[in-house]
Amino acid sequence: GEDVEQSLFLSVREGDSSVINCTYTDSSSTYLYWYKQEPGAGLQLLTYIFSNMDMKQDQRLTVLLNKKDKHLSLRIADTQTGDSAIYFCAGASSNTGKLIFGQGTTLQVKP
Amino acid sequence: DAGVTQSPTHLIKTRGQQVTLRCSPKSGHDTVSWYQQALGQGPQFIFQYYEEEERQRGNFPDRFSGHQFPNYSSELNVNALLLGDSALYLCASSAWDRVNYGYTFGSGTRLTVV
Repeated sequence: GEDVEQSLFLSVREGDSSVINCTYTDSSSTYLYWYKQEPGAGLQLLTYIFSNMDMKQDQRLTVLLNKKDKHLSLRIADTQTGDSAIYFCAGASSNTGKLIFGQGTTLQVKP
Repeated sequence: DAGVTQSPTHLIKTRGQQVTLRCSPKSGHDTVSWYQQALGQGPQFIFQYYEEEERQRGNFPDRFSGHQFPNYSSELNVNALLLGDSALYLCASSAWDRVNYGYTFGSGTRLTVV
């Protein structure tokens, strides 16, 4: 079945790196996304990776994909207080655009 | 360039009533999806519209229905509201041929059923 799991909470110090992990069960998830949600707001697409890729880097963000273990991670370098938010991992299979979301990881950045 | 706009932002309804939520997609987008996000949970897919037709549907009862208009805007209707329908309802848009590159989400409508 379709399921995406994330750890619920991560706390880091400003300036450190943050690593948010995600595991998905559907092997047909060929498109994987990271979204950010700030309090009272909608979801902001941060980055995406396709299953034919192992890594993608975009400024402070690095996404790693381990297809064998169905594991996805998001690394945020030089984490800032403005990065405090809930981060959602989401997967989609085939060419449908139907997203299956994890429960979200709350990132707390301490000054 | 406006992103995805949703209205209203907040709504309070009584159990058993009906509600209509509205969404205008981002300029250039023709595909609209709706999601329900309960407190403390990730969004759950309700349905997707393209070319004024429902293309996919999640595991939601028939009380949830929708519509897409020729200008690509969309409505979500919920009949016979239950307390459990209280949630943030998110609209997301994309171009049909670029859905794999991710959706743009609106800020949502917060529905409270009392």
